[in-house]
Amino acid sequence: SQQGEEDPQALSIQEGENATMNCSYKTSINNLQWYRQNSGRGLVHLILIRSNEREKHSGRLRVTLDTSKKSSSLLITASRAADTASYFCATDASRIKAAGNKLTFGGGTRVLVKP
Amino acid sequence: EAQVTQNPRYLITVTGKKLTVTCSQNMNHEYMSWYRQDPGLGLRQIYYSMNVEVTDKGDVPEGYKVSRKEKRNFPLILESPSPNQTSLYFCASSLSGTGKEPQHFGDGTRLSIL
Repeated sequence: SQQGEEDPQALSIQEGENATMNCSYKTSINNLQWYRQNSGRGLVHLILIRSNEREKHSGRLRVTLDTSKKSSSLLITASRAADTASYFCATDASRIKAAGNKLTFGGGTRVLVKP
Repeated sequence: EAQVTQNPRYLITVTGKKLTVTCSQNMNHEYMSWYRQDPGLGLRQIYYSMNVEVTDKGDVPEGYKVSRKEKRNFPLILESPSPNQTSLYFCASSLSGTGKEPQHFGDGTRLSIL
C-alpha cells in the first residue's frame, strides 16, 4: 500500500472558500512535500516541511505536520479557479543515503474550484 | 528557463517494439528519477540515478532500463513493451539525492501499448 494517502479523494468548493486536504503515512519520515498537478501536466512542488517542523506557510498555503499521528494537512485559503488541480503529498522516508531522494507519493486529492 | 524536458509527449505503439523516452534537464542536477502514474495508484518510482553512471531500481523496475551517460540526460528504455506498461510517465530531477530539496518534473509522456 502507499506510504502517503490523501483524504478526501475529491473536493469541490466555491471560489473564495478554503480547501483542506489531509495526508496520512505509515513510517517515520525525513520530510513531507506537497505537489500540485494540473490536468495533463507535470507535478509542481508547493512546499516542503521537515520532520522537526510543525507548520509552514507559503502565500495562501498552510501546511501542518503531526508526526505523532503520522499526518499532514494542506490548507489553501481564499481559493481561486486557478487552484483547480490534483494535490499530492510525498514522503521522504529513506534511511540510507544510497536510496537518494526517494519520494513516495499518495493517490492525490482532486480539487475543483468553481467560479 | 530551468526545466525538465521529456520526449515524446504522446506515443502509441505496439507490443514488442522497442522504444525510448528521453529526459533532459538543464539545471545541473545530480539526481534524476522516472515515475509512472496510474489511476488509483499515484506515482510509483521506476528507476533513479544519483549521478552519472550510477543508477538503481525503484519500486517497479520490471520491463524497463535506464542509462545515465551524461549528467543532463536520463532516458527510459522499454526493450519489449507490453500493454501493462501503458501509463503516464514522468521524469524528475533534483539538485542532489539528499532528500532535502524538491523534485522538478517534466510534463509527462503518455504511452499507449497496443
